[in-house]
Amino acid sequence: EVQLLESGGDLVQPGGSLRLSCAASGFTFSSYAMSWVRQAPGKGLEWVSGISGSGATTYYADSVRGRFTISRDNSKNTLYLQMNSLRAEDTAVYFCTKESPYSHSCAYWGQGTLVTVSS
Amino acid sequence: DIQMTQSPSTLSAFVGDRVTITCRASQSISNWLAWYQQKPGKAPKLLIYKASSLESGVPSRFSGSGSGTEFTLTISSLQPDDFATYYCQQYNSYSRTFGQGTKLEIK
Repeated sequence: EVQLLESGGDLVQPGGSLRLSCAASGFTFSSYAMSWVRQAPGKGLEWVSGISGSGATTYYADSVRGRFTISRDNSKNTLYLQMNSLRAEDTAVYFCTKESPYSHSCAYWGQGTLVTVSS
Repeated sequence: DIQMTQSPSTLSAFVGDRVTITCRASQSISNWLAWYQQKPGKAPKLLIYKASSLESGVPSRFSGSGSGTEFTLTISSLQPDDFATYYCQQYNSYSRTFGQGTKLEIK
């Protein structure tokens, strides 16, 4: 059974940093691209960043490029999102997702972890 | 970046109604489009991938169509469990983008 378990969400001050983790199980982690998707309170879904199975290729939304870094440790079956220079508008639930190599859609999602940026 | 525009933003309907949600891409995305359903406090659920393929376990009353820049999600006969928010998502080589969502409400 595929499981994705996010952690690391917290309350952080504007300008601060945070690292999110997503522990994956139930599939061959290194074979799949992964993404982070976020949802601000009461708002819609926003794709944040993606990474290839090997970790060699990464992609970012314009809203986070230069501030966030996605990475993975395939030996630990874990996906990361390093978030720097955090802003109030980064406040959201952050979901980890597993992409289908065939359709690039996301059939598997974690439960989400809440990041709150506030002074 | 490719922009995705969904319409309507809110839709009110009765149980048993046939409803259609539209998603338009700012440039052609071939058939690289997915549809998701989300209920409050839950992660999204994949319904349709590659514009028209039904995800395993999803009821056949859900269907998707379209290619290029215009896509639709149709629910043939609304059930009480279908009242939720629906999102389209495009894929291209360097990014993915969601539509702003369509909230489906009970009339």
